[in-house]
Amino acid sequence: AQSVTQLDSQVPVFEEAPVELRCNYSSSVSVYLFWYVQYPNQGLQLLLKYLSGSTLVKSINGFEAEFNKSQTSFHLRKPSVHISDTAEYFCAVIAGGTSYGKLTFGQGTILTVHP
Amino acid sequence: KAGVTQTPRYLIKTRGQQVTLSCSPISGHRSVSWYQQTPGQGLQFLFEYFSETQRNKGNFPGRFSGRQFSNSRSEMNVSTLELGDSALYLCASSESPQGYEQYFGPGTRLTVT
Repeated sequence: AQSVTQLDSQVPVFEEAPVELRCNYSSSVSVYLFWYVQYPNQGLQLLLKYLSGSTLVKSINGFEAEFNKSQTSFHLRKPSVHISDTAEYFCAVIAGGTSYGKLTFGQGTILTVHP
Repeated sequence: KAGVTQTPRYLIKTRGQQVTLSCSPISGHRSVSWYQQTPGQGLQFLFEYFSETQRNKGNFPGRFSGRQFSNSRSEMNVSTLELGDSALYLCASSESPQGYEQYFGPGTRLTVT
């Protein structure tokens, strides 16, 4: 079975400051990794994915995450945040093989960007 | 392409009633997964369907069921509603046959009174 731990439940930062949202996972098999963002009263939006290839993945709005297999981590970073980045962020994993359609999520990190 | 759509968006039901929620996946996506989101338990996997077959199921009681139609649209049903079933129910679809990369709908907010 897989599990995901998001180490911070809330992260307050000031606008234009850098931010890191931490995610660790455990799994006995290979996994695929995702970050989703959820704005109030909305569904989840896929922000980043690691399926294979380069361990550093980037989004179009400046977020990036690095898959570290030895540390079983997939931390999300942004060098300079905006007010509009205020939202809840979820890290998720799915095991390769027969875990059909079953994403396992962390508990979420609420990012609050202050002016 | 249009995104994942879910109907209805909001629903209020009474304990003991049953409810059916609907999900239309992105065109061409054949894998559909359902999740329950609550403040206490977070996001929990309910089940996944592919080509009208349930391939995976989470740890929920038998009151929770689902199905998928030949056009990949999916429904989930909850019978004998309990107060604890109040939640946001999210549907996600995937183009991947294994259901890896998932795209979510806006959810159905179910309130049980």
